[in-house]
Amino acid sequence: NAGVTQTPKFQVLKTGQSMTLQCAQDMNHEYMSWYRQDPGMGLRLIHYSVGAGITDQGEVPNGYNVSRSTTEDFPLRLLSAAPSQTSVYFCASSYSYNSPLHFGNGTRLTVT
Amino acid sequence: RKEVEQDPGPFNVPEGATVAFNCTYSNSASQSFFWYRQDCRKEPKLLMSVYSSGNEDGRFTAQLNRASQYISLLIRDSKLSDSATYLCVVTPRGEYGNKLVFGAGTILRVKS
Repeated sequence: NAGVTQTPKFQVLKTGQSMTLQCAQDMNHEYMSWYRQDPGMGLRLIHYSVGAGITDQGEVPNGYNVSRSTTEDFPLRLLSAAPSQTSVYFCASSYSYNSPLHFGNGTRLTVT
Repeated sequence: RKEVEQDPGPFNVPEGATVAFNCTYSNSASQSFFWYRQDCRKEPKLLMSVYSSGNEDGRFTAQLNRASQYISLLIRDSKLSDSATYLCVVTPRGEYGNKLVFGAGTILRVKS
């Protein structure tokens, strides 16, 4: 079982560059989400999706876009990278709104 | 006041000790509660769900106190391998996304 797969694991960007973090799950989960984790702040929700074609903003959505064209994939796009976006990013999926989350391995992003 | 608060620790305990963590939440409508474990530089993984009646899984016991709005995690007979950060997660009824709230985590260090 692959579970939730995130790529890349590490990325270094220059300010102003754009990129897409990939996330795929093979558990047929309807709910998918993106979090960022910064020291001392816990995980904060960026965007989430309750099914294909449906996305919504989380707590910290500015500077990020998402789309959900299939149940399996939920990519996160950084439009114009800023140093404040240096963080560890986790994708997660779950069966329903109150089910436990399954996380990907994370992407460590540094913006210089 | 943060929606979910945890004592960041670290809790430094010897092997074999019993240790307990609390997590307080501010939203009285919260309905689902979980404890996750996160090892250094890894993704969070579900440790256990927390049920109204309390629940036990081996050396781990989780309790919910709705009146005082906190959940607790008790670890008995601590092992070196229990060293990790423990995250509590709170989800209000019928909601996803914005209302899925993580605590910042409690660091546990078990020493020989």
